Amino acid sequence: ETGVTQTPRHLVMGMTNKKSLKCEQHLGHNAMYWYKQSAKKPLELMFVYSLEERVENNSVPSRFSPECPNSSHLFLHLHTLQPEDSALYLCASSRDRGPSSYEQYFGPGTRLTVT
Amino acid sequence: GNSVTQMEGPVTLSEEAFLTINCTYTATGYPSLFWYVQYPGEGLQLLLKATKADDKGSNKGFEATYRKETTSFHLEKGSVQVSDSAVYFCALSNSGGGADGLTFGKGTHLIIQP
Repeated sequence: ETGVTQTPRHLVMGMTNKKSLKCEQHLGHNAMYWYKQSAKKPLELMFVYSLEERVENNSVPSRFSPECPNSSHLFLHLHTLQPEDSALYLCASSRDRGPSSYEQYFGPGTRLTVT
Repeated sequence: GNSVTQMEGPVTLSEEAFLTINCTYTATGYPSLFWYVQYPGEGLQLLLKATKADDKGSNKGFEATYRKETTSFHLEKGSVQVSDSAVYFCALSNSGGGADGLTFGKGTHLIIQP
């Protein structure tokens, strides 16, 4: 499989559940990103990983916990979410940080609904 | 800080009409500029980009020119098709090379009617 894949594509969870989103990139990239896409709002950058090390956390609530075990895989662990966390969560990758990181490749996203 | 402003839409056009989607930006330094497209049920795909002033990005009949004097990067297409119906995002990345990812506009929903 090529490109950036995400699983599951759809997820419905209660506020007390714990779930994880998975992202895998088959492009040989060194940087990976999580974005949140909510209706009527710009995409929000949540986390950036470069060579498996987190380099930025844009004040995301602790109920979102990222994990990057290697340069090809990225997880977003979810626990005790709120209804306002319902959104499309997009994963992206780029060759590196810095100038060559401008071009990012996106996965199809996970549509999350918190009930 | 960085910001991107674009018309939100929806923008509804007939097939073969001329398309313009406006995008203006605010940024420090010399950003690179992008247009991404999101088709229904899919993630974002890079449509075109420009990395310096007066550059023109083009792809699939779409064009956008990096205008530093007006801080704009308007997307144009001479004759749209039904298959162009999607959400279009203007974005920038600061050429300082920070790890900020991309700064996106809110997206413009384009609907092309046959």
